[in-house]
Amino acid sequence: DTAVSQTPKYLVTQMGNDKSIKCEQNLGHDTMYWYKQDSKKFLKIMFSYNNKELIINETVPNRFSPKSPDKAHLNLHINSLELGDSAVYFCASSQSGTSGDYPTDTQYFGPGTRLTVL
Amino acid sequence: GDSVTQMEGPVTLSEEAFLTINCTYTATGYPSLFWYVQYPGEGLQLLLKATKADDKGSNKGFEATYRKETTSFHLEKGSVQVSDSAVYFCALLMNRDDKIIFGKGTRLHILP
Repeated sequence: DTAVSQTPKYLVTQMGNDKSIKCEQNLGHDTMYWYKQDSKKFLKIMFSYNNKELIINETVPNRFSPKSPDKAHLNLHINSLELGDSAVYFCASSQSGTSGDYPTDTQYFGPGTRLTVL
Repeated sequence: GDSVTQMEGPVTLSEEAFLTINCTYTATGYPSLFWYVQYPGEGLQLLLKATKADDKGSNKGFEATYRKETTSFHLEKGSVQVSDSAVYFCALLMNRDDKIIFGKGTRLHILP
């Protein structure tokens, strides 16, 4: 009954390679996100998609390309990996809208993918 | 394993009320502790942090003290504002694997 899942959990690869990280949510949410846990161990948002459309695109290298085949999936493809890309990447999802007086867009996070570039 | 437990929301308060959001953790070791905030329609932002026991993190009028004896990191603010309405996440980081573990979030709703 995993809500937000990511694969792989660990990814070790050589500089210059191209790799993908997959994210799936079974919560029926319409918005998905990618975060990077940076060198200071803080989370920074990279992208968000709402109903397969790009909403947030923070300043990240264009080697990073998110792809959302459907509302339940948001994959992250990284070209020409660099040493500085080593980090933990978190996927999250939320449902936009309100329930009564309250917005319902609390984000639910996946377990993270640890990427190590050698 | 390591985990974070925080009070369930939503928490609804009137403007200028005193706020406490409870957070406790389970960890085999000495984690760093964080509070993140998510404003409507935005991603998570770091609110404050504490890296060792008895440290107090503070920012924007919010405070939290790292209490090793009670394994807690409760978030407090003396006088909340409508603009503080958001979701607050408690989190811990174990240095041995450098991966953040989040609580489930507490939604705060401030009434004018």
